[in-house]
Amino acid sequence: EVHLLESGGGLVQPGGSLRLSCAASGITFSHYGMSWVRQAPGKGLEWVSFITESGASTKYADSVKGRFTISRDNSKNTLFLQMNTLRAEDTAVYYCAAMGGSQSVYAFSYWGQGTLVTVSS
Amino acid sequence: QSALTQPASVSGSPGQSITISCTGTSSDVGAYNYVSWYQQYPGKAPKFMIYEVTNRPSGVSDRFSGSKSGNTAFLTISGLQADDEADYYCCSYTRTTTYMVFGGGTKLTVL
Repeated sequence: EVHLLESGGGLVQPGGSLRLSCAASGITFSHYGMSWVRQAPGKGLEWVSFITESGASTKYADSVKGRFTISRDNSKNTLFLQMNTLRAEDTAVYYCAAMGGSQSVYAFSYWGQGTLVTVSS
Repeated sequence: QSALTQPASVSGSPGQSITISCTGTSSDVGAYNYVSWYQQYPGKAPKFMIYEVTNRPSGVSDRFSGSKSGNTAFLTISGLQADDEADYYCCSYTRTTTYMVFGGGTKLTVL
């Protein structure tokens, strides 16, 4: 069974930083592209960032470009999201999601349960 | 404003069929067969329902089907059941710098 477990969320002041982690099990982690998707309270889903299987290439939503950095450690089956210069509008549940495997590389096959990030003074 | 446009809500009675639309542009839905759909219950993570417009992952009921015409994709749920009541999101690959874009979500109510 596939498990993606996010951690690292919490309350942070505007302008602050936070690092999210996502530990994967039940999949060959290095065979999957990975994304972060967020959901603000009462709102819809928003794709945030993507990293290729090897970590060689990354992509970001315009709303976080230059502030967030996605990375991965395939030896530890773990995905990361470094979030700097946080704003109130970054408040959301952050999900990690695996892309690819036997399904499409452009679909989110597996999801974690999410970790809540609250940016407030 | 979401990149893909979905109706805010749809409803149907048990046993009926409903269709949710997802309208994009010639840069995303219209350009590629990389539309996927997700079901989400309140307070829960999304569940993967459809990929590449028409394909169902293993374990997803065949009551769920997808299609596409031009810049609009569709999710059809047949034989509506009470536990189909949830939010549904479409998503597409886009050749813009955004990479992946979601619809705003549709709340399905089973009457």
